Amino acid sequence: GAGVSQSPRYKVTKRGQDVALRCDPISGHVSLYWYRQALGQGPEFLTYFNYEAQQDKSGLPNDRFSAERPEGSISTLTIQRTEQRDSAMYRCASSSFDENEKLFFGSGTQLSVL
Amino acid sequence: AQKVTQAQTEISVVEKEDVTLDCVYETRDTTYYLFWYKQPPSGELVFLIRRNSFDEQNEISGRYSWNFQKSTSSFNFTITASQVVDSAVYFCALSEGGGSQGNLIFGKGTKLSVKP
Repeated sequence: GAGVSQSPRYKVTKRGQDVALRCDPISGHVSLYWYRQALGQGPEFLTYFNYEAQQDKSGLPNDRFSAERPEGSISTLTIQRTEQRDSAMYRCASSSFDENEKLFFGSGTQLSVL
Repeated sequence: AQKVTQAQTEISVVEKEDVTLDCVYETRDTTYYLFWYKQPPSGELVFLIRRNSFDEQNEISGRYSWNFQKSTSSFNFTITASQVVDSAVYFCALSEGGGSQGNLIFGKGTKLSVKP
């Protein structure tokens, strides 16, 4: 597609529920990244993939968070047993092989855990 | 440990004024990249510039210019003749390791308001 697409745009869930956030990167982009941005803060790295391989997951806060990119394109970030502190904007970004440091960000998914 | 500090939380200027956004970084690596991103009120993050640690030349792009000084670990961003459309939150970011692996460390951002 023309840009990085994320869905849903907004997600409201109850504490304890699982949520799955989807990211569709720019077509042909090798690398895909997940970030989390709290209100009034800069984005915080969670994890990234090259193709389908998860290269770095050091930013995932705990084992309730996981991500996959099974076919090297669309990725899903899953949060199990959500807690109120998980509320934030979750942003996906992608980059090409040639300019892997130039990240193109999606509009994000605003997650609210009640 | 790596860190990015944007000491200015908010700046307000009147249109046509020049404004400089400060960014100070900390890293132990000799090879790293520095970035600026713009986040307008609509919320998306827009890439503005990338600079590697071996290139200290200042860069100008239209009304935007960047001043990289390794001696002071700073990468400041100046907007000349500011316009209302420049109103946004601006983030400075750092990546280490000789090339981004996507693990960018962002500052907390500076909110710039340009009044007509």
